[in-house]
Amino acid sequence: GAGVSQSPSNKVTEKGKDVELRCDPISGHTALYWYRQSLGQGLEFLIYFQGNSAPDKSGLPSDRFSAERTGGSVSTLTIQRTQQEDSAVYLCASSPDRGQEQFFGPGTRLTVL
Amino acid sequence: ELKVEQNPLFLSMQEGKNYTIYCNYSTTSDRLYWYRQDPGKSLESLFVLLSNGAVKQEGRLMASLDTKARLSTLHITAAVHDLSATYFCAVVPSPLGAYKYIFGTGTRLKVLA
Repeated sequence: GAGVSQSPSNKVTEKGKDVELRCDPISGHTALYWYRQSLGQGLEFLIYFQGNSAPDKSGLPSDRFSAERTGGSVSTLTIQRTQQEDSAVYLCASSPDRGQEQFFGPGTRLTVL
Repeated sequence: ELKVEQNPLFLSMQEGKNYTIYCNYSTTSDRLYWYRQDPGKSLESLFVLLSNGAVKQEGRLMASLDTKARLSTLHITAAVHDLSATYFCAVVPSPLGAYKYIFGTGTRLKVLA
């Protein structure tokens, strides 16, 4: 069956522009996570969605970052007024329920010039 | 502060040799995950360890969990070049129902032919 998909796979943007990153989780998975991975680093938690509950946004690094999940499925991570330090790989993962095994998407590599 | 520490951070080993990667965590947990990440790729699930004393094996990799010591090990037997990758452990802190994964720093493994 289909795994987690993300788009675009690569995004190059200019400083100050807004970007939208998309994640399609595995069908039926209620939990969805966004992480950020800088070059050679581990995973930094950004945001967590569980069903129709209010998301846990505690990992978002600034108010330039926001995310939504429509209809309990597709999620979009938006970064406004991008900065060079936003350059990283953004990974999305979904799991059948909270705390269960996560399945990761291929990631979006964001480069801010 | 919740911490998940892996050691070593970097490991260069000869083909055919054995080695162990350690994952220590600072919080109570009964669920631990191991992931593999190839350069430029996303994370691939290797093992899910759900109880104290759990041991799982796949090919040349064997993972174990000691919840009392808050320690998991990933043992590599007779390493081959294809095992070169970065390995992450991730812990979901108790109690049951918790959802925020804490990822280790990663161990970058290079197997030399």
